Amino acid sequence: QGQLVQSGPEVQKPGASLKVSCKASGFTFRNYYINWVRQAPGQGLEWVGWITPYNGNRNYAPKFQGRVTLTTDTSTSTAYMELKRLKSDDTAVYYCARPMNYGEPSDAFDIWGQGTMVSVSS
Amino acid sequence: EIVLTQSPGTLSLSPGESATLSCRATQTVTNTYLAWYQQKPGRAPRLLIFGASRRATGIPDRFSGSGSGTGFTLTISRLEPEDFAMYYCQQYGDLPGAFGQGTNVEIK
Repeated sequence: QGQLVQSGPEVQKPGASLKVSCKASGFTFRNYYINWVRQAPGQGLEWVGWITPYNGNRNYAPKFQGRVTLTTDTSTSTAYMELKRLKSDDTAVYYCARPMNYGEPSDAFDIWGQGTMVSVSS
Repeated sequence: EIVLTQSPGTLSLSPGESATLSCRATQTVTNTYLAWYQQKPGRAPRLLIFGASRRATGIPDRFSGSGSGTGFTLTISRLEPEDFAMYYCQQYGDLPGAFGQGTNVEIK
């Protein structure tokens, strides 16, 4: 059915950068866009962006443009999200998620990673 | 950019009762590309409904979705103890994808 397994929690200082990984298994990684969604403590879900492992095309939500970079490594079926110039309000759980249908960047997400807690504090 | 507003913010009900959750969009949702998710504390969201009314794999038939255009509804009939959770709607017809702010279904 498929699974996404993310890297562990991170604690960073303001201004630093971080990189979260999301390893896919059980489906053909190259065929599916990977989306990233974040959730601040006690808040709702916020879409960050998507990337396709097929050719590296990506799209970012406007508020993250310039600070986020999504990449993939098809040899290990792993997607990465790098966030730079961290601020305290970047503190959140970051999820990777797979759309239901292959080849669709924006779709309902039927497979989610377990989430990675990122804490930004001085 | 489409903004989704969910109501009510909190729904206090007893097991066995029915829940009706609303999701309103500021613009027509393309192709009724509207999904509903359930989320429990410390867990990732779980897909319940896609295409406004289609149940995802393994979702019990007490969950049903309806609506089109700018107004959508998730109905949970005969609430089970495991149904008490947060629920989010999501539109995926236009970029950027957007989620509603959520409805908390709590035990009365």
